[in-house]
Amino acid sequence: EVQLMESGGGLVQPGRSLRVSCTASGFTFGDYALSWFRQAPGKGLEWVGFIRSKAYGGTTEYAASVKGRFTFSRDDSKTIAYLQMNSLQTEDTAVYYCTRGEVPAAYAFDIWGQGTMVTVSS
Amino acid sequence: DIQMTQSPSSLSASVGDRVTITCRASQSIGGYLNWFQQKPGKAPKLLIFAVSSLQSGVPSRFSGGGSGTEFTLSISSLQPEDFATYYCQQSFITPFTFGPGTKVDIK
Repeated sequence: EVQLMESGGGLVQPGRSLRVSCTASGFTFGDYALSWFRQAPGKGLEWVGFIRSKAYGGTTEYAASVKGRFTFSRDDSKTIAYLQMNSLQTEDTAVYYCTRGEVPAAYAFDIWGQGTMVTVSS
Repeated sequence: DIQMTQSPSSLSASVGDRVTITCRASQSIGGYLNWFQQKPGKAPKLLIFAVSSLQSGVPSRFSGGGSGTEFTLSISSLQPEDFATYYCQQSFITPFTFGPGTKVDIK
């Protein structure tokens, strides 16, 4: 079965760090970019950014609100993508989602994880 | 950044109604407009990409149109499972911004 599953969310204090994972199965993970989105409680969707496949240099793009604090990485051998979040702020409280692909297309943005909740609070 | 707006912000409709949601971009985004559906507590679902291309498995009662800065999502005959929030998103240039959403609920 083709699926993505986020994990690693939880409660963290402001200024601390947290790493969220996105584990893939059922498809050739290394062929795809991985995108991250988030949704604060009761709010709309926000694009966080993406990491391209190794074939495209594994390059990354970030939203301005997280640039310099968040880092994407990937381990294609384990079919896992990571979102390292440093210097967390209360405004980072949200459900974090991963999906395959860089932009919506026929075989992109078609599979999503269930989301993992990150709560930043003292 | 490109700003996306949607109208209406919410609407009430009955099963069988035709519904149209409008999305506007602050500058031309060509054909890089996508529509998502989201139900409470669930991940977003891609309905339409590139203005009018239906994602696999999405019912044909959903359709998209428009160009440049103004776009529409239409549902030809609303079904009970269509009550949800709908978001447009531009993928013309990063950051890929979303509209604020349109909540469709039961009349």
